[in-house]
Amino acid sequence: TQTVSQSDAHVTVFEGDSVELRCNYSYGGSIYLSWYIQHHGRGLQFLLKYYSGNPVVQGVNGFEAEFSKSDSSFHLRKASVHWSDSAVYFCAVRTGGYKVVFGSGTRLLVSP
Amino acid sequence: ETAVFQTPNYHVTQVGNEVSFNCKQTLGHDTMYWYKQDSKKLLKIMFSYNNKQLIVNETVPRRFSPQSSDKAHLNLRIKSVEPEDSAVYLCASSDYEQYFGPGTRLTVL
Repeated sequence: TQTVSQSDAHVTVFEGDSVELRCNYSYGGSIYLSWYIQHHGRGLQFLLKYYSGNPVVQGVNGFEAEFSKSDSSFHLRKASVHWSDSAVYFCAVRTGGYKVVFGSGTRLLVSP
Repeated sequence: ETAVFQTPNYHVTQVGNEVSFNCKQTLGHDTMYWYKQDSKKLLKIMFSYNNKQLIVNETVPRRFSPQSSDKAHLNLRIKSVEPEDSAVYLCASSDYEQYFGPGTRLTVL
């Protein structure tokens, strides 16, 4: 059974700051990791994914994430946040089947 | 650009009534999902269909039933709603990434 943990429920930063949102997973086999963003009142939107290869993957709007097998982590980062990045961010794990497990989400607030 | 469509956007009903939610995707994917998102934003998978076949059926009350007429449509029916069914119901279409609709917010009075 795969699990996904997002340890920070809330993160607050100022516009222009860098930010890292943490995601840890538990699963022994091959997995497909992804991040999604949910703005208020909207559905989730895909940001980026990792399956194999370069452990640092680039996504939309300047987001990147780094996979670490040793730490069982897939943290999301952005070098300089904008107020429009305020949203809830979800980490997700998919195994070889069709089941997808989402983390509990991290609410990012970017203050002007 | 929206490619996963959900209707209605909102629905308010009373305990014991039956409701149906519709979802359509224009992405050509074979797999579709229903998720329930509660007031704390927790997202739980309910059902998944692949090419009209049920492939994931999580532990949900029996009053919930998915319905798929073709691989582009996946509807959700709830017989006799309960107060704890109040939530946002999100439909998604998938190859490997998930493409979500805007959600249907259900309020049970």
